[in-house]
Amino acid sequence: QQQVKQSPQSLIVQKGGISIINCAYENTAFDYFPWYQQFPGKGPALLIAIRPDVSEKKEGRFTISFNKSAKQFSLHIMDSQPGDSATYFCAALGGTALIFGKGTTLSVSS
Amino acid sequence: DAGITQSPRHKVTETGTPVTLRCHQTENHRYMYWYRQDPGHGLRLIHYSYGVKDTDKGEVSDGYSVSRSKTEDFLLTLESATSSQTSVYFCAISESAVTEAFFGQGTRLTVV
Repeated sequence: QQQVKQSPQSLIVQKGGISIINCAYENTAFDYFPWYQQFPGKGPALLIAIRPDVSEKKEGRFTISFNKSAKQFSLHIMDSQPGDSATYFCAALGGTALIFGKGTTLSVSS
Repeated sequence: DAGITQSPRHKVTETGTPVTLRCHQTENHRYMYWYRQDPGHGLRLIHYSYGVKDTDKGEVSDGYSVSRSKTEDFLLTLESATSSQTSVYFCAISESAVTEAFFGQGTRLTVV
């Protein structure tokens, strides 16, 4: 049973546009929601994370929006750049280990 | 990569043979994890450790065992490799159960 559902599976955005990736979770006990960025041949790297006591967190061009009542959270990438082309994973901390979504492959065209 | 070294980085092995992957950390983090990454499945937890000799199963633990005899090393063993275990394996470490996890570079394993 998939506990973190991520969409879309792939995304193509024009340079300068906004990329939006969505995730939904089921377990209300989750209390930490990170986003990871992965480039080909590399391990996932933490991009930004949020805890459920806030509704939004912004770091540079990256913003997490969190809706606790809907059990949803999303990643917004403003002014998307070709260097942002990568696979993005949302995750939720359940107990002692992260549970990941299936990933979104983002391509930013120049 | 947060002081995490996975070895080997690539391995090809035959069906039925045992295989051991190693994760070594220099951060003295308490928690260590093994994930596998497959297209369309994201990252799935195999096993994790919350201290020396303290381990527990994850979502996809069948066919795998782990050991942690020292804080810095976490070994993943495929007891009898099968083609379904062809995957990219990632080790991750975390200082506590509620902080971010840092990932290694991965090991690409092919079982033929």
